[in-house]
Formats: sequence, C-alpha cells, structure tokens
Amino acid sequence: EVQLVESGGGLVQPGGSLRLSCAASGFSFSTHEMNWVRQAPGKGLEWVSYISSSGNTIYYADSVKGRFTISRDNAKNSLYLQMKSLSPEDTAIYYCAREETLAVGGSDTFDVWGQGTMVTVS
Amino acid sequence: QSVLTQPPSVSAAPGQKVTISCSGSSSNIGRNFVSWYEQLPGTAPKLLIYDNNKRPSGIPDRFSASKSGTSATLGITGLQTGDEADYYCGTWDSSLSAWVFGGGTKLTVL
Repeated sequence: EVQLVESGGGLVQPGGSLRLSCAASGFSFSTHEMNWVRQAPGKGLEWVSYISSSGNTIYYADSVKGRFTISRDNAKNSLYLQMKSLSPEDTAIYYCAREETLAVGGSDTFDVWGQGTMVTVS
Repeated sequence: QSVLTQPPSVSAAPGQKVTISCSGSSSNIGRNFVSWYEQLPGTAPKLLIYDNNKRPSGIPDRFSASKSGTSATLGITGLQTGDEADYYCGTWDSSLSAWVFGGGTKLTVL
C-alpha cells in the first residue's frame, strides 16, 4: 500500500524549532518529487515547499523562506522539514504529499497525501 | 489571500448538480494543468481531478471538471450527503515557481 506517514509535530514556543518527518512506503520514493503543504486551523491549503527526487532542486513559499529547510534521505525513504524561528502563524497541520505525473503528456499533481502532523506554536 | 479564487461556499439539494469555479491568471491556470482535491471533515485532502479533467481510478463519473483560459470549473452531479466537504483547486504558478491553491469551497448538501 502506498503510504505517507508524518511525525514530529507538537507544541513549541515562538522562536523555537521543530523537525518534521515523513516516512514513505509502498512506492519508489527516490524517483518522486515531494512537497509539504500546511493547513492552519479552519483555513485552506497552503503549499510550503518542494524538493526534487534527487534533492537538487528546492522551492519554498515566501512565507517560510529563510526559516524552513526541506530535505530528503532516499536511502531511508524519508522526507524532512526543519522549521526554525517559528511564530504563531506557523500553527497548522503539516501534510507531506507525493508529486506524480499520472498521464502521458500530463502534468504533476499531488496524488498521495499523508494524514498530517499538527504543529502548534504558542 | 489565495492566488486562485474560489467561492467560499456552495449548496444544493441531494440529487442535484453543483459547480465550483476557480479563477486564476496567465501564470498559473492559463499555462498549467489544474487539479482538484476533496477534503472531507477531519481528513487529509484527496486527489479528485488531475490534468484539468481526468479522474483517478476510484473517483466516480459524477465528478467532472473543465478549464477555459484562466478559469477552471469542478462539477458534481447526483449530489449525496457524503459529498459534503471542502474542495480545492490547485496548479503550478510559473511566475512564482510555487504550487498555488484556491481558498477552498465548502459544499453543503441540503
């Protein structure tokens, strides 16, 4: 079964740091681009960061640039998000999501999502 | 303020049809494929539509979507109470080098 399982969330004080993990199973993790997407309580989805399959290409949302670092360990089938200088505005459920091109000639989409891990900054 | 614009809410009776719009710009919807995601209460988002109008296996044909210019539309027919959820459009923004989502639309089946 294709699965993504996030962990590492919790309560942290403003200015603090936290490292999220996403364990992938049931598919070839090393060949897939991955993303972090977050959702503040009662709010919509907000894309946070992207990493290519090799880790060589990385993008961040402006709201987290300079504070968050995405990384991956293909040998461990794991995705990470190192978060520092956290503020209450970072309070959210953080989801990892797999990027996949599902059709020839098509484009990428987020076809597999984890269950999310809650980060509370207070 | 989301890059893609969706109505906050829509509603319809069971068995009826509803459409949800998603408006963007030339840098996102205008040049890239659109996906739609369904988020049932208390759960993670789930892919509903990809490449503007394609359904992943397991998604019933009651769900359809289209794209025209810088806008996209999700349609749901034969509404069921189980369709009550938040629906999000999403695409890549080539100018921002970022994935962008709509603010989400809450569907209520009356």
